[in-house]
Amino acid sequence: DVKVTQSSRYLVKRTGEKVFLECVQDMDHENMFWYRQDPGLGLRLIYFSYDVKMKEKGDIPEGYSVSREKKERFSLILESASTNQTSMYLCASSLITGGASNQPQHFGDGTRLSIL
Amino acid sequence: QQPVQSPQAVILREGEDAVINCSSSKALYSVHWYRQKHGEAPVFLMILLKGGEQKGHEKISASFNEKKQQSSLYLTASQLSYSGTYFCGAVTGGGNKLTFGTGTQLKVEL
Repeated sequence: DVKVTQSSRYLVKRTGEKVFLECVQDMDHENMFWYRQDPGLGLRLIYFSYDVKMKEKGDIPEGYSVSREKKERFSLILESASTNQTSMYLCASSLITGGASNQPQHFGDGTRLSIL
Repeated sequence: QQPVQSPQAVILREGEDAVINCSSSKALYSVHWYRQKHGEAPVFLMILLKGGEQKGHEKISASFNEKKQQSSLYLTASQLSYSGTYFCGAVTGGGNKLTFGTGTQLKVEL
């Protein structure tokens, strides 16, 4: 079974702090994704990566950056946290074969981040 | 733009059927369906590719109408374990990313 592990289940940070959310997958997947989930808005893609050191912006990249130095690890960085970034953050991974069209995504349990 | 899901919420009695719709404003390459139980990660259900095929397993199936740019998820003879939020994810324009709908909350009661 694919295992996607997010480093923290709950996190509380202060406005202006630099925040790191970590995600590790154990199935040698090429694709990795970061989403945020808010009530009534579903899952919205922040960034994704299809290879080491490669990244692409998703639908809501503003205020975030990412890092992928190793294939199994994908980090989400909030450069200067703000209260409107309080949310549930979900990491996912998938194989790249055939593109996103026909590969399921496997999700981690999420990190509930509160910015005070 | 996010696909539109309907209904937003539905309550069923055990054994009843339900249909969840997902409509896209852009041409669809494929549609994914996921279910998320409260406090848990979303779990993959199925993928439908261009061609209008219907896929499914057990009592959950789905269809994909390329012309109408929509997909429907069918849950028959619902069970308590079907409760959760269902998300469709649309792949449009041959891209590498999924755009998820806002979700449909489904609750099955005795």
